[in-house]
This record gives sequence, structure tokens and C-alpha cells, in this order.
Amino acid sequence: GAVVSQHPSRVICKSGTSVKIECRSLDFQATTMFWYRQFPKQSLMLMATSNEGSKATYEQGVEKDKFLINHASLTLSTLTVTSAHPEDSSFYICSASHGGGRDEAFFGQGTRLTVV
Amino acid sequence: EDQVTQSPEALRLQEGESSSLNCSYTVSGLRGLFWYRQDPGKGPEFLFTLYSAGEEKEKERLKATLTKKESFLHITAPKPEDSATYLCAVQGSDSWGKLQFGAGTQVVVTP
Repeated sequence: GAVVSQHPSRVICKSGTSVKIECRSLDFQATTMFWYRQFPKQSLMLMATSNEGSKATYEQGVEKDKFLINHASLTLSTLTVTSAHPEDSSFYICSASHGGGRDEAFFGQGTRLTVV
Repeated sequence: EDQVTQSPEALRLQEGESSSLNCSYTVSGLRGLFWYRQDPGKGPEFLFTLYSAGEEKEKERLKATLTKKESFLHITAPKPEDSATYLCAVQGSDSWGKLQFGAGTQVVVTP
């Protein structure tokens, strides 16, 4: 399967600061990447769709000014959690797919964010 | 709205005890149904994609099947290393690549 790398795997930050999470497709180009959030014992909830060269599309209820997404190249998307608060503590996961008729998505290893 | 329901929520098996996980779905035009495995603190690992009713796919001790309303993941003679949460997700024809996930089934296989 394709490789998607996410960094960092864990981060602890102070309340009010911003945190950037990177998602890279290592062996293929991804025009679209997706960002998910997962709370303990719950499933993945889609936050936004990241489109290379254009604005991200956010799901209902997700604050676009709080969760800034940039997809500057065909292999890199970033999620910045701005002015983080303890309630933003969660497991964030990105995914990417080949496109072109192959629909399976490959996921990064996830980022555990803890805001103190 | 696409919906995915997985059952049971949790399953405890003895090594070698075969069982099946269920994924019921409603979607406007199924583009694909996906099975993933997720270990604690990790991202989901792709297992299978099923596209049409009647399709089956196998990988080692796992076999996935699909009907028009549900999918099953059969685990044959499981080993402790099969312990994980198994996630089912659907992609609708108008979803633009988005996946709708079920809550998952947590499987524990004891020696």
C-alpha cells in the first residue's frame, strides 16, 4: 500500500498557542487529502477536505479559522490548530488517496495533541 | 445522509475461535465499502475495498463480503495478533472521496 507520513506523532502545547501538523504522501501524488479527528473509543470524524492549490472544504460545525489547512503541494498538507484549548485535545489523522479510479484512502499514523 | 452501523461493539475470542463482524450501511449510490484495522494510538491500516454486491476479498485469516445492505468481515481461526479495532467505511457516489466511518468493532483474541 501507499505510504502517508504524519508528523509529529505526539505534541503537548500550552493553552493559547498554535500547533502545526504535517501530512505527506511519500510515494504518490495526492490532489486531495482529508483530515479527521478521533476521540477515545469513538470513530473517525471528518473535519475537512484539503485540495491542492485551493481552499479547504470544512465539514459542518468545524471552525475554519481555528483549524487552518494548507495544501501547498501534491505531497503535503498541513493542519494548524490555532489558539489551542484543552477541548482541542484529540487524535488527529490525515488520509490521502491515489485518485484516478483507485479509491482506497491511506492514513497517516496520527497525531496525539494534548493542550495543557 | 450516509450512515454506517457496526456490530458488535466489542468481541472477545479465544485463539482459533472464528467469528464475523457486521457492517450495515445506507448510502446514496455506493462507490465503495472499505475495511480498515486500527491498533491503539495508530492510524487505520487499509484491508479491503468492496464495490458491488456479491463481491468477496480475502487476506490471510480475514475475508470480507458485501451485500446491498451490509458487509461482513469474517475472521477465521484468529490469532492474538488479530486483536485490533476493525473499522468499516462507505463512500457514496456523490461524496467526492469522503469516507463515512462506523464506530468500529474492538476485537480481542486471547491465547
